[in-house]
Amino acid sequence: AQSVAQPEDQVNVAEGNPLTVKCTYSVSGNPYLFWYVQYPNRGLQFLLKYITGDNLVKGSYGFEAEFNKSQTSFHLKKPSALVSDSALYFCVYQGGSNSGYALNFGKGTSLLVTP
Amino acid sequence: DTGVSQDPRHKITKRGQNVTFRCDPISEHNRLYWYRQTLGQGPEFLTYFQNEAQLEKSRLLSNRFSAERPKGSFSTLEIQRTEQGDSAMYLCASSPSILEEKLFFGSGTQLSVL
Repeated sequence: AQSVAQPEDQVNVAEGNPLTVKCTYSVSGNPYLFWYVQYPNRGLQFLLKYITGDNLVKGSYGFEAEFNKSQTSFHLKKPSALVSDSALYFCVYQGGSNSGYALNFGKGTSLLVTP
Repeated sequence: DTGVSQDPRHKITKRGQNVTFRCDPISEHNRLYWYRQTLGQGPEFLTYFQNEAQLEKSRLLSNRFSAERPKGSFSTLEIQRTEQGDSAMYLCASSPSILEEKLFFGSGTQLSVL
């Protein structure tokens, strides 16, 4: 079965420090991978996507992710964390045509950035 | 682009009652999706529309659930004979009919079944 895994329920980081939110995938073929963020009382928002090409993908709010085929990972990174980055982050893969290309979410990682 | 709109934001109901939620997607978005999210979990796919046609349903969608998208515009999700296990956030998302395109999510309807 295809899936994405987020091994950490919560990540704590001090403001100004680099942050990493981990994701590994088990998706056949060429995976279409995404990161979405969910702020409290707000809808899910798209951060970035990897389809093909450059393994380093840049997204919104200074986030980036590195696609690593040999390690089957797609970790989310940011060089310098902000308190406002505190939110719930989801690693996502896109299903095939039989699901209408629906997005399939990991269980999420809660990021807490402290001042 | 007014975004994806969902109504109501919150719904409290008693077990056994029927409830209906509405989703208005971004105009001209052909695809519309319903998801369910429970506390501590990621959203789970429920069903998908391409225009007015419901093309896929998850096994999570029991026969108490029904969704429609008349005329390929807004969509409704109805839950009949609600159970406490139906308590969750119900999310709607839409996208253009393009592969690899991101989904735009609404703020969701929080359902509490007492």
